[in-house]
Amino acid sequence: QKEVEQDPGPLSVPEGAIVSLNCTYSNSAFQYFMWYRQYSRKGPELLMYTYSSGNKEDGRFTAQVDKSSKYISLFIRDSQPSDSATYLCAIESNDYKLSFGAGTTVTVRA
Amino acid sequence: GAVVSQHPSWVICKSGTSVKIECRSLDFQATTMFWYRQFPKQSLMLMATSNEGSKATYEQGVEKDKFLINHASLTLSTLTVTSAHPEDSSFYICSVREGTDTQYFGPGTRLTVL
Repeated sequence: QKEVEQDPGPLSVPEGAIVSLNCTYSNSAFQYFMWYRQYSRKGPELLMYTYSSGNKEDGRFTAQVDKSSKYISLFIRDSQPSDSATYLCAIESNDYKLSFGAGTTVTVRA
Repeated sequence: GAVVSQHPSWVICKSGTSVKIECRSLDFQATTMFWYRQFPKQSLMLMATSNEGSKATYEQGVEKDKFLINHASLTLSTLTVTSAHPEDSSFYICSVREGTDTQYFGPGTRLTVL
């Protein structure tokens, strides 16, 4: 079993729709939860970072963590064509190592 | 967040040659840098943790004699792929961890071994 499971998609939505991305993890020792955005042939760009259960909002992005269910989510409101990318969830353990999900490729259609 | 650069952005080499990839932390002194590898349509896999002034620690299954890591200063880590083969062709990405914050990634280096 992988430490982090993420639906690889792809996901295609019309402009303005809400994008919902999810990951589950198996190791309860994981403490920090991140979402990265990666454009083709580029390095990942940090979008959201949180360490506690609950919601964290930043503009059109909301990260949600449920430690009891080992479930994390990212919501993108009012999606734009420029949001088209691959989104990676990542979880950090005590030794600062990141475990990544497989990534979900999102296309926002104009 | 930290600004990270990599050089070169892409490289093509012949099988059997060695290739060096540089990772620089431009605005932050990084005692620890990480090296990842990403194959097409796959996620990032941690290869090794680069520690300034000491030996790198490698993940299980990563050959330390093939992927040489040198972290000689607080702003520079290098990854040398020795005796490269076509199966080493991949996207190599480094990252730095800034304080208690999370990791910031470089733009990546695409390696193609002919």
